[in-house]
Amino acid sequence: RKEVEQDPGPFNVPEGATVAFNCTYSNSASQSFFWYRQDCRKEPKLLMSVYSSGNEDGRFTAQLNRASQYISLLIRDSKLSDSATYLCVVIIGNTGKLIFGQGTTLQVKP
Amino acid sequence: DTEVTQTPKHLVMGMTNKKSLKCEQHMGHRAMYWYKQKAKKPPELMFVYSYEKLSINESVPSRFSPECPNSSLLNLHLHALQPEDSALYLCASSQDPPGQGAYGYTFGSGTRLTVV
Repeated sequence: RKEVEQDPGPFNVPEGATVAFNCTYSNSASQSFFWYRQDCRKEPKLLMSVYSSGNEDGRFTAQLNRASQYISLLIRDSKLSDSATYLCVVIIGNTGKLIFGQGTTLQVKP
Repeated sequence: DTEVTQTPKHLVMGMTNKKSLKCEQHMGHRAMYWYKQKAKKPPELMFVYSYEKLSINESVPSRFSPECPNSSLLNLHLHALQPEDSALYLCASSQDPPGQGAYGYTFGSGTRLTVV
């Protein structure tokens, strides 16, 4: 079983749609959780950290459920520029090692 | 300076060549990382340096040899690579100690390596 699992998609949505991505992790020692965005042929860039209390950054909302070992990302009012691959990432303990999910591809259509 | 700079951006090498990838940061970060990313796959950790010492080697073949000459520089020496080693090689740095969170992680734009 992979340490971090995501539905690879692709998710094809129209502009203005709301889309949700889910991610599960298997190691209960996971301590830090993030969503990264990666554009084609570019490096990953941090989108937001994820906390149990939930956190919001503009149109993006992230949520962590430690009991279910489940992480989510909600994107409201999708823009064409949101088209990218979204990577769910965890850090286990204090290793500093980022464990990436395989990524979920989002394509926003006009 | 809030960047991680990687050179070269693209590299084509033969299986008998020796080449090096370079990574530089001037953010005072004391942990530096090499990740490998194959097409349509997530990045996978290769090496971690913490305070200029190798702290994690993810069972990487010896044809990849990392080096950290000082706190700002990280090299990856390549020798006798195989075509399947073709990938995007990403360098990253973070505030030390590792594990404090992704706020301190910065990725370079990568070196796209092709082995022929």
